[in-house]
Amino acid sequence: RKEVEQDPGPFNVPEGATVAFNCTYSNSASQSFFWYRQDCRKEPKLLMSVYSSGNEDGRFTAQLNRASQYISLLIRDSKLSDSATYLCVVSQSGGYQKVTFGTGTKLQVIP
Amino acid sequence: DAGVTQSPTHLIKTRGQHVTLRCSPISGHKSVSWYQQVLGQGPQFIFQYYEKEERGRGNFPDRFSARQFPNYSSELNVNALLLGDSALYLCASSLLTGPYEQYFGPGTRLTVT
Repeated sequence: RKEVEQDPGPFNVPEGATVAFNCTYSNSASQSFFWYRQDCRKEPKLLMSVYSSGNEDGRFTAQLNRASQYISLLIRDSKLSDSATYLCVVSQSGGYQKVTFGTGTKLQVIP
Repeated sequence: DAGVTQSPTHLIKTRGQHVTLRCSPISGHKSVSWYQQVLGQGPQFIFQYYEKEERGRGNFPDRFSARQFPNYSSELNVNALLLGDSALYLCASSLLTGPYEQYFGPGTRLTVT
């Protein structure tokens, strides 16, 4: 089983739709979680950190479910500019850092 | 403020050669991480350095090595290049070591022929 798994998509959604992505992780010792977005042939950019209590930033909401070992990202009112690949990131520390990226979920917002 | 910078942007090498990639973190950031990204995959963690010390290592062979300098810039070295080393190499900086948000540079695209 992969350490971090994401549905590669693509998710093709119309403008204005709500879309949700999940990401599962295998190591229960994982401590920190993030969502990044990556545009084609560009570097990843931090979208948001994921906190145990959940967090929201405008149209974006991230949730963490430790019991089931997954994180989620919800995008409301999708814009054309949201088209990108969304990468989930799981991090463990405790003296020696290990960071694992998922393979990403591709989102295409259609006019 | 300048973001993370990397050099060179593109590089073509032949099998068996050695390559050095360079990274300057965001001003004030003390931690640098290196990632390899092949097409269609997420970035794979290679190393993390903080205050010139290795603080994390991914599953890469000993042909890969790195170091961090007193000004927090970093180099990634790859020896005995293989065709499979062709990838985008990304550098990310963060304020401290540990599970902090990381900010990526534009990457160095390495092609091994």
